[in-house]
Amino acid sequence: KNQVEQSPQSLIILEGKNCTLQCNYTVSPFSNLRWYKQDTGRGPVSLTIMTFSENTKSNGRYTATLDADTKQSSLHITASQLSDSASYICVVSARNYGQNFVFGPGTRLSVLP
Amino acid sequence: DAGVTQSPTHLIKTRGQQVTLRCSPKSGHDTVSWYQQALGQGPQFIFQYYEEEERQRGNFPDRFSGHQFPNYSSELNVNALLLGDSALYLCASSGKQRGGREQFFGPGTRLTVL
Repeated sequence: KNQVEQSPQSLIILEGKNCTLQCNYTVSPFSNLRWYKQDTGRGPVSLTIMTFSENTKSNGRYTATLDADTKQSSLHITASQLSDSASYICVVSARNYGQNFVFGPGTRLSVLP
Repeated sequence: DAGVTQSPTHLIKTRGQQVTLRCSPKSGHDTVSWYQQALGQGPQFIFQYYEEEERQRGNFPDRFSGHQFPNYSSELNVNALLLGDSALYLCASSGKQRGGREQFFGPGTRLTVL
C-alpha cells in the first residue's frame, strides 16, 4: 500500500534555531517527492521537488534531501523565522495512471520569538 | 500567469443545500484534482479530472460530483450538505513536466455548513 509518514507530528522551536523534518514513504513506482508549506487556512505552496536521481535541493533557507534507497526524505530549515510557522507536507508522486499523489499527514511547526 | 485560482474564497451554507466550487488551473496544466481538508488534517483526495472525464475517485459519496470544461477549468458540486462537509476545499492542477508531474494548489475555498 502506498503510504507517506512524517515525523514529528508537531514541533516547537525558538526563532533563529534550525530544525529537521522527516518523511518516510512506501510509494512505488516512485516519480518525485515534493515538500509543501501550508499556512493555516491557505493552500499548500511548493518548496522543493526532487526526482529519483537528486539527493539534495535547496530553496533559500530550506534544504531537502532524498535517499531513494531507504525511501526517506528530510526538510532542513535554517535560521528559522516566525513566518516559518506552518504545516509542512511531504507528497510523493507515483509513476502510474490516475491520481498519483500520496500525501503525508504533515508536521506542524511553531516558531516562537 | 495567475497560477491556480479558486472561487469563492469563503462560503456559508445550511444543511441540505447544494454548493458549487470553481477552479481554474495553472496555464498549461490539463489535470485538475480536488481535495477536502478538515481542520488540522491533511488533504483527502476527492477525485481527479483529465480530458473532461473523472479519471479517479477517492472514498467520497456520490453527493460529491464534478465537471471539467474544455478549457480545463473544473467545478466541484456537493449535494445535500452535511455539517461534516465543512472544510477547506483545495483544487490542484498538474501538467506533464520533465521529471514527472508537478502539482500546484489553489488558495482553497473555505466551506462552512451550519
